[in-house]
Amino acid sequence: SFDLTQAPSVSVSPGQTATIICSGNKLENRYASWYQQRPGQSPVLVIYRDALRPPGIPERFSGSSSGNTATLTITETRALDEADYYCQTWVNNTGVFGGGTKLTVL
Amino acid sequence: EVQLLESGGELIQPGGSLRLSCAASGFTFNNYAMTWVRQAPGKGLEWVAGISGRGGGTYYPDSVKGRFTISRDNSKNILFLQMNSLRADDTAVYYCAKTMFGLSHDSAFDMWGRGTVVTVSS
Repeated sequence: SFDLTQAPSVSVSPGQTATIICSGNKLENRYASWYQQRPGQSPVLVIYRDALRPPGIPERFSGSSSGNTATLTITETRALDEADYYCQTWVNNTGVFGGGTKLTVL
Repeated sequence: EVQLLESGGELIQPGGSLRLSCAASGFTFNNYAMTWVRQAPGKGLEWVAGISGRGGGTYYPDSVKGRFTISRDNSKNILFLQMNSLRADDTAVYYCAKTMFGLSHDSAFDMWGRGTVVTVSS
């Protein structure tokens, strides 16, 4: 099976940089996307094709990929960035999500 | 403005069937593959079905294969999810989502609906 692994939680102080990691076997041959889900809301796409931002997503959000790991980086973290973040990729035309990382801005 | 509006969720007994709908507007519906993603209470996202723009290709994970069927009516801009043999672990919020580039390795879900709640319980 193909799994994407994320740490359950990450904490960061306001103004600091948050790093959220997604790892999975064979991920290096696949693009990763990232979604932000604030409490009680629908997910929002923040990064696609490893490192591209959709319109309206702040430049503070960036993505990268190396080997079997994809990384979402949020600089100058703010209280409104507190949310669950999910990575996602594709295996044989089926979508696969990571378990999600809860970002807490302390 | 792109809008996706799900409906059809309700309380249903185990073993029952349910059909969810997603009304789309604001984009050329038949140009885009569509998907259903669910989220069980307090849990993460799970992709449950995808369909190509013209409806010729459908895909499912093993967890729902044989029980769920995704379809679309491009004349009415509506996406469907037929769910049969429902189990307690199918309880979730079900979201429909639009894909950017189809059901392929470089695609992503760029628009999501608000979701509809399915509760499977006796």
